[in-house]
Amino acid sequence: QVHLVESGGTVVQPGRSLRLACEASGFSFNSYALHWVRQAPGKGLEWVAVVSFDGTNNFYADSVKGRFTGSRNDFNTLYLQMDSLTYEDTAVYYCVRETFDYSVRSSSFDYWGPGTLVTVSS
Amino acid sequence: DIQMTQSPSSLSPSVGDRVTITCRASQAIRNDLGWYQQKPGQAPQRLIYAASNLQSGVPSRFSGSGSGTEFTLTISNLQPEDFATYYCLQFFRYPYTFGQGTKLEIK
Repeated sequence: QVHLVESGGTVVQPGRSLRLACEASGFSFNSYALHWVRQAPGKGLEWVAVVSFDGTNNFYADSVKGRFTGSRNDFNTLYLQMDSLTYEDTAVYYCVRETFDYSVRSSSFDYWGPGTLVTVSS
Repeated sequence: DIQMTQSPSSLSPSVGDRVTITCRASQAIRNDLGWYQQKPGQAPQRLIYAASNLQSGVPSRFSGSGSGTEFTLTISNLQPEDFATYYCLQFFRYPYTFGQGTKLEIK
């Protein structure tokens, strides 16, 4: 059974750094791209970043480019390093698995973690 | 970036109603679109993938259609557990982009 569990969310001051982790289980970790999606309080969903299956081909939303860095290790853990945090980064951060369905030749997000809350506050 | 315009932003239907939610992409995205349901305090869940394919376990009253730039999510015979927020999401190109969401509230 696929499980994704985020951790590391906390209250942090503006300008500081924070690293989130997502522990994955129940699937072949190195075969899937993993994403970070966030949701500010009372707002909609925002795609943040993708870490490719091997961690070498990553992309970021303009809102976090240059400040956030995604990575993964060989032990089923995805990371999001968040630097120079601003109030606008306050959100629940979800770890999400992307799957590609060859029968319809399209991608989708099939599994989501429960999320971890990051609050940027002075 | 591909903009996803979702409408309406909110609806107040009654149990048993038929509801249609629309997403329009700023450029053609083939069938690279999914629909997600989110209930308060929970992570989103996949309903539809590749525009019209129903996720296993999702009731057949949910259906998706469209291709290119126009997509719809239809919920027939609305049930109490369907009152939630719905999002479309394009997978055609990075950055992946969500629609603004449609909140179904009980009338």
